[in-house]
Amino acid sequence: DGGITQSPKYLFRKEGQNVTLSCEQNLNHDAMYWYRQDPGQGLRLIYYSQIVNDFQKGDIAEGYSVSREKKESFPLTVTSAQKNPTAFYLCASSREDRGVYNEQFFGPGTRLTVL
Amino acid sequence: RKEVEQDPGPFNVPEGATVAFNCTYSNSASQSFFWYRQDCRKEPKLLMSVYSSGNEDGRFTAQLNRASQYISLLIRDSKLSDSATYLCVVNEAGNQFYFGTGTSLTVIP
Repeated sequence: DGGITQSPKYLFRKEGQNVTLSCEQNLNHDAMYWYRQDPGQGLRLIYYSQIVNDFQKGDIAEGYSVSREKKESFPLTVTSAQKNPTAFYLCASSREDRGVYNEQFFGPGTRLTVL
Repeated sequence: RKEVEQDPGPFNVPEGATVAFNCTYSNSASQSFFWYRQDCRKEPKLLMSVYSSGNEDGRFTAQLNRASQYISLLIRDSKLSDSATYLCVVNEAGNQFYFGTGTSLTVIP
């Protein structure tokens, strides 16, 4: 089955700790994205990557870091510098076709709670 | 100014009703348009892409008006299972996708 997976589904963190969220896709998509969703709000872009070993900041990158060492994987680290990290984190991927990006496919998300 | 704007609703409609959502976007160079459905505490899932000529998938019809920069979604014969939040998504020239905040729909028995 092709798809995009995220782990863990639920994550609890103490204040001051860094935590890494996993995102893996076997769709052979070039582009991958991380979003954050807060209750009653839309998705906000944290980071995105169009190609291996390259990534760009989104609208709310402060306090987060990413890496893209493999095409299939795009892990997100939530650092202690992120002031309000409790949220629903969604990873997505999309295929590029002659400069146009097709629809995004989303993983099931990780709910992060800071205690 | 937001890139994509939607009426947040909520829309509460009886079963069998027809309901329409609109979404406006600010960048005239936008290239791709989509409607996603998001159920409570779940990830968004693609409902349909929106093409310039308009497209239909069963009870769902999507329209794009480039001149006025808006996208619409029409749901006919609403079912209880249609209750969800509907997200309007626009891809500008490049690879960033912009999401509306979503329109909440509840179909009432």
